[in-house]
Amino acid sequence: KAGVTQTPRYLIKTRGQQVTLSCSPISGHRSVSWYQQTPGQGLQFLFEYFSETQRNKGNFPGRFSGRQFSNSRSEMNVSTLELGDSALYLCASSLRTGDEKLFFGSGTQLSVL
Amino acid sequence: GESVGLHLPTLSVQEGDNSIINCAYSNSASDYFIWYKQESGKGPQFIIDIRSNMDKRQGQRVTVLLNKTVKHLSLQIAATQPGDSAVYFCAESLPNTGNQFYFGTGTSLTVIP
Repeated sequence: KAGVTQTPRYLIKTRGQQVTLSCSPISGHRSVSWYQQTPGQGLQFLFEYFSETQRNKGNFPGRFSGRQFSNSRSEMNVSTLELGDSALYLCASSLRTGDEKLFFGSGTQLSVL
Repeated sequence: GESVGLHLPTLSVQEGDNSIINCAYSNSASDYFIWYKQESGKGPQFIIDIRSNMDKRQGQRVTVLLNKTVKHLSLQIAATQPGDSAVYFCAESLPNTGNQFYFGTGTSLTVIP
């Protein structure tokens, strides 16, 4: 069974631009969560989608948004990029929502210049 | 200004010895806990989980202990191998918050052959 696939693997953007990251969950998994990982803040929850609906959202500004499609694939978007948005963005999938073990992808490394 | 990274505790053990990695979690209402392992360039990998109605759970070569009185979680790895070298994170989840997890800062484990 294929794991969680995230594309692209690396991305370089400049301040003010926007970016879209993609995540394909494990087949059959309906929940997709997004996390940001930085050396300064560690792993922080961004949001979770389940059955195309945002289940909950972490403490991030509105510039961070996401969506989930009917095939459970998910995208997250960051608008008006800031230098502090440079991070590893991790997507994780699980069968259901609520107290479920998460299966993470390898992440997208975003660098904002 | 210069960003300050999280202080990452480190643990070095000899190959074949047992390792114990500790984690203090923050919320006494958390009811589900997971240990993850993250190798360089990869996303976190599920190791073992435990719910708050248990105080011990065993897996293959790993044991998780939960002490709710002092909000402490530990991961014991038996007969540590070089492939166990990685950063280990504990993560906690509150009831009814879907797959939103709060991650600890991580412990870097180095296994000396």
